[in-house]
Amino acid sequence: GEDVEQSLFLSVREGDSSVINCTYTDSSSTYLYWYKQEPGAGLQLLTYIFSNMDMKQDQRLTVLLNKKDKHLSLRIADTQTGDSAIYFCALGPGRRALTFGSGTRLQVQP
Amino acid sequence: DTGVSQDPRHKITKRGQNVTFRCDPISEHNRLYWYRQTLGQGPEFLTYFQNEAQLEKSRLLSDRFSAERPKGSFSTLEIQRTEQGDSAMYLCASSLGQQGPSYDQYFGPGTRLTVT
Repeated sequence: GEDVEQSLFLSVREGDSSVINCTYTDSSSTYLYWYKQEPGAGLQLLTYIFSNMDMKQDQRLTVLLNKKDKHLSLRIADTQTGDSAIYFCALGPGRRALTFGSGTRLQVQP
Repeated sequence: DTGVSQDPRHKITKRGQNVTFRCDPISEHNRLYWYRQTLGQGPEFLTYFQNEAQLEKSRLLSDRFSAERPKGSFSTLEIQRTEQGDSAMYLCASSLGQQGPSYDQYFGPGTRLTVT
């Protein structure tokens, strides 16, 4: 099966950039997603990248994909306190279920 | 509100009781998914539907679990003879399910189950 790994915790200061990393084992995934989960809430789809892309930028979010190393990252520019949440990377073939990492808790300090 | 909705948001039950959760997907979304999320973990896939057909079930979905989507709109997830290990957040997601990014899954707020 697929393994998706993320570091557990990241702390940054408000205004700095945050980089959340994800590594995976299955290279057959066609779509790679980032979701955000705030306490007690469901998951909010932030962005995705198609497997034939290396980078995607969406406002303050930049997704980088290194297929050779099976490494996905999410960069949040100008991190705000409202960005404090748990961030999940998820891999999908698109038509079926997603496989999620265990999440990275981002803490933004004022 | 055009998002995915789930009911109830919280459920506390005693071990051995049956519980049923409901999910209403985004209108016109053909695919509906159920996931389970335990504390400190990412969601784990349980099952999904294309319209009213249940196309896949994970090995996590034991015989005590059953899901239906009778008219291809809302779905129910029933757990019979609940056990303490069933305590988790049950998440529902839906997608348009035609091609490409339309497979993007949008999640509801979840139903938190506590089995005492």
